Amino acid sequence: DQQVKQNSPSLSVQEGRISILNCDYTNSMFDYFLWYKKYPAEGPTFLISISSIKDKNEDGRFTVFLNKSAKHLSLHIVPSQPGDSAVYFCAAYTASKLTFGTGTRLQVTL
Amino acid sequence: NAGVTQTPKFQVLKTGQSMTLQCAQDMNHEYMSWYRQDPGMGLRLIHYSVGAGITDQGEVPNGYNVSRSTTEDFPLRLLSAAPSQTSVYFCASSLGGYNEQFFGPGTRLTVL
Repeated sequence: DQQVKQNSPSLSVQEGRISILNCDYTNSMFDYFLWYKKYPAEGPTFLISISSIKDKNEDGRFTVFLNKSAKHLSLHIVPSQPGDSAVYFCAAYTASKLTFGTGTRLQVTL
Repeated sequence: NAGVTQTPKFQVLKTGQSMTLQCAQDMNHEYMSWYRQDPGMGLRLIHYSVGAGITDQGEVPNGYNVSRSTTEDFPLRLLSAAPSQTSVYFCASSLGGYNEQFFGPGTRLTVL
């Protein structure tokens, strides 16, 4: 039972355009959501997070939106840069446990 | 600060062998956790600890043991390795479970 789903395994975006990565969840008890970025042969690195009491959080080029009624969150990257090419994982937290999605591979092309 | 360190980086085991994956952090984080990453499965939580002396099971704990005798160290033990445990293992630490987790570089384990 996949509680956190990233339905798009891959996404290709041109440099300078917006990248939108989506994530859906089923457990209404999740109270914190996070996005991580992963390069090959490295551990994931934290990007941005949002509490369940908010609907938007922004940090530079990265914005996370949370729609609790739809159990959906998205990560917007504007403008996209070639260095953003990586696998992006969304994760959801409740009861001392973090549950990850399966990841979306983002490729930013020139 | 070294952050989160993991050893070894690579390991090949035969079925039935046991081994310990080491994880250490120097950030005085209370929360530590172990994940495995398999193709198409994302990262799955194996075990976690909210502080020294306290551990609990995650999503996929079978075949693994952990202990937390100090704040800094959180070793993961494979009791009797099986081919299904072939994976990349990541250790992470944070101030609390919902805080930003800092990940180690990973251990790539192959069980033949």
